[in-house]
Amino acid sequence: EDQVTQSPEALRLQEGESSSLNCSYTVSGLRGLFWYRQDPGKGPEFLFTLYSAGEEKEKERLKATLTKKESFLHITAPKPEDSATYLCAVTPANDYKLSFGAGTTVTVRA
Amino acid sequence: GAVVSQHPSWVICKSGTSVKIECRSLDFQATTMFWYRQFPKQSLMLMATSNEGSKATYEQGVEKDKFLINHASLTLSTLTVTSAHPEDSSFYICSARDRGRDTQYFGPGTRLTVL
Repeated sequence: EDQVTQSPEALRLQEGESSSLNCSYTVSGLRGLFWYRQDPGKGPEFLFTLYSAGEEKEKERLKATLTKKESFLHITAPKPEDSATYLCAVTPANDYKLSFGAGTTVTVRA
Repeated sequence: GAVVSQHPSWVICKSGTSVKIECRSLDFQATTMFWYRQFPKQSLMLMATSNEGSKATYEQGVEKDKFLINHASLTLSTLTVTSAHPEDSSFYICSARDRGRDTQYFGPGTRLTVL
């Protein structure tokens, strides 16, 4: 069974204090690893798709990286508007269903 | 691009009534649509997968007679919660996958409260 574990569960940062979120996964052949951002009371917002080890993608203050066993979401010089729950998910090679981790809730204080 | 809408955003209904939630892909054709349920402080739980023109596939433990899913076109899927009870109160979110692509794009969600 596909499994996704995210750590830490919660992260409190000062504005400008860079940090990383971890997503460990086991999957029967990886089709893709996805990062989403979810604000309270809203649906997840797509951030990145990663397909193979060594791949990196960036968007503003966010950078996602992928190895064979885990992915990291790096937040550089975060701002209060980066406060959200960040969700990691994987799809196996033979399906399009997403298996989600429990998420990391990031709070950035001004 | 890749916008998914849901309607209504929130709904309050009495126990025993049925509620229909619509999910639309606005700027792409959704080969597959997914329905999720999310409880407070928890991650998304997949309820079912629907492909246009075919019957939905439900996850284990999800009652297909209670949660009716119809995917009548490449841009519209509906979830009907039949004979709703207070325990069905939850946040329901749909997602859609474009033909030939892997990424699912999510709708804004529908908050259902059953009194």
